This record gives sequence, C-alpha cells and structure tokens, in this order.
Amino acid sequence: DAKTTQPNSMESNEEEPVHLPCNHSTISGTDYIHWYRQLPSQGPEYVIHGLTSNVNNRMASLAIAEDRKSSTLILHRATLRDAAVYYCIPGPMRRSQGNLIFGKGTKLSVKP
Amino acid sequence: SQTIHQWPATLVQPVGSPLSLECTVEGTSNPNLYWYRQAAGRGLQLLFYSVGIGQISSEVPQNLSASRPQDRQFILSSKKLLLSDSGFYLCAWTRESSGNTIYFGEGSWLTVV
Repeated sequence: DAKTTQPNSMESNEEEPVHLPCNHSTISGTDYIHWYRQLPSQGPEYVIHGLTSNVNNRMASLAIAEDRKSSTLILHRATLRDAAVYYCIPGPMRRSQGNLIFGKGTKLSVKP
Repeated sequence: SQTIHQWPATLVQPVGSPLSLECTVEGTSNPNLYWYRQAAGRGLQLLFYSVGIGQISSEVPQNLSASRPQDRQFILSSKKLLLSDSGFYLCAWTRESSGNTIYFGEGSWLTVV
C-alpha cells in the first residue's frame, strides 16, 4: 500500500483559500488519489478523487503533480464548516484489490 | 441511489459482554464492505474488509470478528468485549464505477464499561 505524508495540522482564515498538501511517493501507476474529510463526531465523507489530471467539483479542486508523487487539495474559500480532518488516500482502482487505509490526516482549523 | 445504514448508533456494554454491530447497503450489488474503528482522538483503523459473501480479510488481530452472510450485509461481532474496544465504529462500502470511492455509514459509538 502506498504511504502518505500530510501535515498534522493547518490553520486558515475564513474566506481565504487553503492548500492541503499530500506526498504519496510510492503510489502505484493504477492508484487513484482520493481525498476525504471527517467532521467531528461523523464518519468521513468523500471530497474528490483523481488519477492524473487536475479535477474540480463543487467542494474543492485537486491538483496532481506530473509525477503523481504528490497532490494538493484546494479549498477556494474556506468556511467555518470546512474545519475537519482531511485525509489523502491513494487507493486501488479495482474493488477486487480490497482495502483502503486511512492515515492520520491533516486537521484544518478555520478562524473567523 | 445507494445508501448505507448501520446500527445501533450508540451502545454501552460491560466488559466481557458480546457485541453485534450490523451494517446494510442498499441500491447496489456486490460492494466491497469495510469495518473501521476510531478511538477517541485517534485516526481510522481498518479492522476488516470483504470483497464478497463469506470472504473476510482481517487487518488487525484482536477479539473482534466479522461476517458477511449476505451480499449487502456486514456484521461486526465480539464474544467478550474489552475496555480497549471502546470507540467509534464505521461501516463503509465502495463502488468501482467511481474509482473505488468509499462511502461511510453514520457510525456506532461503543463504550465498554
């Protein structure tokens, strides 16, 4: 399984952009890069995923390095509701390949 | 649309008592199913995953077990709970059509006293 490195914590001001980095230097060529976030007392929720190209959705943008060894989750305008633990997970493309393992993630604090 | 349910939402159990947490998925077939545990203030620990009926893989040896009696049903059990089993238990499933995106249930808070 690919190992990830994320900052333990980050702080942001409300309405400002946030860039959450993740290193996954041992990612395999067929692994997607998934991002999830976990609000207090809730299960993680899906944020975004990608393979090689940068991705955008209504929640965030995902910038993937050309060598795929790192990626950055971008929250364009942080809100107080974005305060959560963010997990970066390289994961298998095929269900038959089994497990998805979460690291410790980055705890994002958003200040008003 | 697909949904996942797990129950009970909370429970308080004495040390040495049995445990059964149940999870069901609706609206899909042959999903991968997972049980995770999160101790207070800690990260997510993968306990078990299943790629099909009767197929269980254990990630962490312990006094817990899992079973998948039906395609969309996943059960976490213990014969005798320990204090260290306390935590937030999460069932999850993945679908291949979305690049193996994982979806979590509401979670079950277990306190062993």
